[in-house]
Amino acid sequence: GENVEQHPSTLSVQEGDSAVIKCTYSDSASNYFPWYKQELGKRPQLIIDIRSNVGEKKDQRIAVTLNKTAKHFSLHITETQPEDSAVYFCAASLRYSTLTFGKGTMLLVSP
Amino acid sequence: DAGVIQSPRHEVTEMGQEVTLRCKPISGHDYLFWYRQTMMRGLELLIYFNNNVPIDDSGMPEDRFSAKMPNASFSTLKIQPSEPRDSAVYFCASSSGGQGADTQYFGPGTRLTVL
Repeated sequence: GENVEQHPSTLSVQEGDSAVIKCTYSDSASNYFPWYKQELGKRPQLIIDIRSNVGEKKDQRIAVTLNKTAKHFSLHITETQPEDSAVYFCAASLRYSTLTFGKGTMLLVSP
Repeated sequence: DAGVIQSPRHEVTEMGQEVTLRCKPISGHDYLFWYRQTMMRGLELLIYFNNNVPIDDSGMPEDRFSAKMPNASFSTLKIQPSEPRDSAVYFCASSSGGQGADTQYFGPGTRLTVL
């Protein structure tokens, strides 16, 4: 089955800096790559996703890039703010509608 | 729409007791997923349904776990008997399917503590 590796496990940045979280996946057949944000005690919520026919997607301060040849994708957050502090999960979809999640990255943004 | 609804939000029980978690997916969604989240193992898919039919239960840890979806608006995850290692947050999620994989919307979760 699919295996998703996510790095780093924790990331500390100063407010205003950029943050980058990287994921690799194992199965070249995967075609859907969402990112979820989970605040403490809350549910995971989708923040951005990308499909295999697109190399990059942006939404305000958030962007995701996909390299299908290397089987990796990354989340980029620019101008980080304290409210960006949360755990971020990447995921990959191998079979129709099922997701395999990475272990998560705890992002801490210091004022 | 109210989103995915789960109950109870918190459950504390003693080892050996039966636990039933409940989920109402978003209306119109034809996929329903049950996940377990722990610090050690992260988010694990336990089972998922398509049009009320269980498709893949390979993530269910053992026979003590069972899940049903009697209709399009209700699903249960049952643990009998419960054990302390079952303590975790259990999430239900739903999606609308369609061409390729679609966004999964998570419920608020049930925090289960087995003493």
